[in-house]
This record gives sequence, C-alpha cells and structure tokens, in this order.
Amino acid sequence: SQQGEEDPQALSIQEGENATMNCSYKTSINNLQWYRQNSGRGLVHLILIRSNEREKHSGRLRVTLDTSKKSSSLLITASRAADTASYFCATDGRVGDSGGSNYKLTFGKGTLLTVNP
Amino acid sequence: SAVISQKPSRDICQRGTSLTIQCQVDSQVTMMFWYRQQPGQSLTLIATANQGSEATYESGFVIDKFPISRPNLTFSTLTVSNMSPEDSSIYLCSASGTSGYEQYFGPGTRLTVT
Repeated sequence: SQQGEEDPQALSIQEGENATMNCSYKTSINNLQWYRQNSGRGLVHLILIRSNEREKHSGRLRVTLDTSKKSSSLLITASRAADTASYFCATDGRVGDSGGSNYKLTFGKGTLLTVNP
Repeated sequence: SAVISQKPSRDICQRGTSLTIQCQVDSQVTMMFWYRQQPGQSLTLIATANQGSEATYESGFVIDKFPISRPNLTFSTLTVSNMSPEDSSIYLCSASGTSGYEQYFGPGTRLTVT
C-alpha cells in the first residue's frame, strides 16, 4: 500500500494565490520529499525535509513536517500558471536489509494542481 | 544532479510480445530504480537495480515478468515480458543522487498494449 496520502486530490486556484497540499504517512521516516510531475513527464525533485526538521523553505516553496501527526504540507506561494502539475510526497526507506546509503521511495497518490491565468 | 534519458519514449505493442526499455544516466550512479505509473495514478516501485548484482523486486513484481539488467554504472534496461493490456502504463527509471535520498527521473516510456 502507498505510504503517503495527499489531499486534496485536485486543487484549482488563480494565479497569484497560494496553494497548500497535504500529505500523511503511516510509518516512521528518515526524510520526506516532494516531487513535481508535469503532464506525462518525469518527476522533478523539489525539496527534502529530514525527520528532525519542522520547516524548510526553497524559493516560493515552504514545507512543514509534523512527525507526531505523521503529516507534511507543501505551500506554494504566489502561484504561476507554470506551477500547474501533479505534486507527490514520498517517504524513503533503505534499499535491502544490509544497510548502505541508498534509499527507495514510496510515493503518495498525488495532488493535481491547476493554476488558472 | 543527473540527467536521465529513456528509450523509447512511447510504444504501442501487441499482446504477448515483450518490450525492452533503456535508461541512460549521464554520470555514474550506484542505484537505479524502475517504477510503473498507471494512468492517473501514483508511482509504484518495481525494482531497484544495483550494478553487478541481481535486481531487488518489490512485492507483486517478479523477475520473469520484468527482467532487469544493470551492466554498468550508467545504464539499465527493463523488459516487460508477455505483455497484456494491464501492462499499459508509464514506466520511469530513476537514479539516486549523491546524498542517496533524492532521486532523478527519466522522462518515462508510455506503453500501450493492444
């Protein structure tokens, strides 16, 4: 089953408005990441927040993490039409049982954001 | 960051045939990953591919159906074998970044099985 669950499933806003997407997960995490996918294309890594962090900023993006509630939010401020895309949260877990420094991702269902010009 | 290319970008295949998807990375990477994304859905990890060892498959995916090769640190292939219409999906490869956490994705291969 998917680790992350985003809500809303779809969000439609006007250019200039802020967009907030939420993600909940079920098990303990090392990090939580957000990715963007433009229609029919590959994913682009946006931001990573570690389990001991509560908030992180990158440009117009603000991510919060509440490990007690097992939830995260992604805020996009002053949205643009070019922000129209699907947004996925992903939690990571180690590849295999032998340790190492590589992690596999489990993705949530995603939020489809439409920013109307 | 790594730049990843995939071939083919799309294909339409007949039921019962097989398709091999290629994934090329512009730098050497330790881990590569293969995902399936069914229409309008999220990504599901098929397997991880480490150079020089057998791929590790996730629950619900088997090597006979999705054989993977990883001959060197910049290249991997995924074969979708004995295809059925249920295999119609976008198949994406990715590679771990230097931190091991974030992943860089190829543009995907859109497969339609008729």
